Amino acid sequence: KQEVTQIPAALSVPEGENLVLNCSFTDSAIYNLQWFRQDPGKGLTSLLLIQSSQREQTSGRLNASLDKSSGRSTLYIAASQPGDSATYLCATPSGTSYGKLTFGQGTILTVHP
Amino acid sequence: DGGITQSPKYLFRKEGQNVTLSCEQNLNHDAMYWYRQDPGQGLRLIYYSQIVNDFQKGDIAEGYSVSREKKESFPLTVTSAQKNPTAFYLCASIPTAQGFFNTQYFGPGTRLTVL
Repeated sequence: KQEVTQIPAALSVPEGENLVLNCSFTDSAIYNLQWFRQDPGKGLTSLLLIQSSQREQTSGRLNASLDKSSGRSTLYIAASQPGDSATYLCATPSGTSYGKLTFGQGTILTVHP
Repeated sequence: DGGITQSPKYLFRKEGQNVTLSCEQNLNHDAMYWYRQDPGQGLRLIYYSQIVNDFQKGDIAEGYSVSREKKESFPLTVTSAQKNPTAFYLCASIPTAQGFFNTQYFGPGTRLTVL
């Protein structure tokens, strides 16, 4: 059974810092790896989706990498801003239904001015 | 605007009551999902439906029931058999369950509290 773990559980950084969030998974036979953002009391917003054949995806200040052999993905946020403060979750499909996602516990990010 | 709506935003349940959470999407997506989120934890799958009139149990289906009579609607009933229902419930959809390049769209969530 796939298990997804995120480290650290919480992170606090000053504005302007570059930071890395980590996601690890136990079964390397994944179809894709997704990163989501969740603001307090809200639903999830998709940030990046990396296919199993890809090594990284970029969107603005965000860059996500995938290393299937080591069971790891990282989300790199450049030049962090207070508006980046949120919970970041990674997830990967379970089984053959691509919509059945197994989630990590999330990393709570606080960017202070 | 296309999207997923969930209602109500907040819901309070007394012991022994069944309550139903609404999820509606106008994205014309085939597959819909219900997740539960507890504080400090990720999401866990309750039920999912890949097509109208069909649904399957997820990892934590006990104490819950669903129906999928229309493509755009996937209501979740929390029954009295669910012993610890206080949580944040999220509904999601995806164009097709077979599209590994598709990301999921999430609704805004319903917070259920047992009194």
